[in-house]
Amino acid sequence: GNSVTQMEGPVTLSEEAFLTINCTYTATGYPSLFWYVQYPGEGLQLLLKATKADDKGSNKGFEATYRKETTSFHLEKGSVQVSDSAVYFCALALRNFNKFYFGSGTKLNVKP
Amino acid sequence: ETGVTQSPTHLIKTRGQQVTLRCSSQSGHNTVSWYQQALGQGPQFIFQYYREEENGRGNFPPRFSGLQFPNYSSELNVNALELDDSALYLCASSETGTGSAGEKLFFGSGTQLSVL
Repeated sequence: GNSVTQMEGPVTLSEEAFLTINCTYTATGYPSLFWYVQYPGEGLQLLLKATKADDKGSNKGFEATYRKETTSFHLEKGSVQVSDSAVYFCALALRNFNKFYFGSGTKLNVKP
Repeated sequence: ETGVTQSPTHLIKTRGQQVTLRCSSQSGHNTVSWYQQALGQGPQFIFQYYREEENGRGNFPPRFSGLQFPNYSSELNVNALELDDSALYLCASSETGTGSAGEKLFFGSGTQLSVL
């Protein structure tokens, strides 16, 4: 089947710390991979995506590399800010059908 | 701001009742998907509508049904509400339903449904 597994939270970091949120996936086909972010009281917003192996998605200082050999798409940021506090969701979508499979989310708390 | 609007923002119903949730998709988008997000979980795919036709369905019972209108707005209807239906219901629009390498979804802020 198709599924996404991400590390459980919450993750609590001090400002300017390095962030890694792990994400691994299982897919019946060749998926595209995504990270979405959800701020309190809001819907999900696309943070970054990668559509093929070895692609690196990046946005707002966040990066993730599509690793087909390890079926992973870990999210990283070199220096987090308080404003990065949110819930982060890893997701996959199979080609030819726009259905997304989401992980359970990882809450990030960044302290000043 | 994604341009996807949902109404109402909050709703309280009792078990056995029926509910209709509404979604107005982003301008130019002809595809609407609905997701259920239980507390502390990721969104789960309910179904998708493309040009007024259902274009795929997740593992939800038939009492979850939908409509898409000529202006591409959409409704989610849930009959015979159960306590486990309490969740945030998210609507997402996209440009086409053909899934071109996982195109971007634009999400609304959701409707928080509580079933008592």
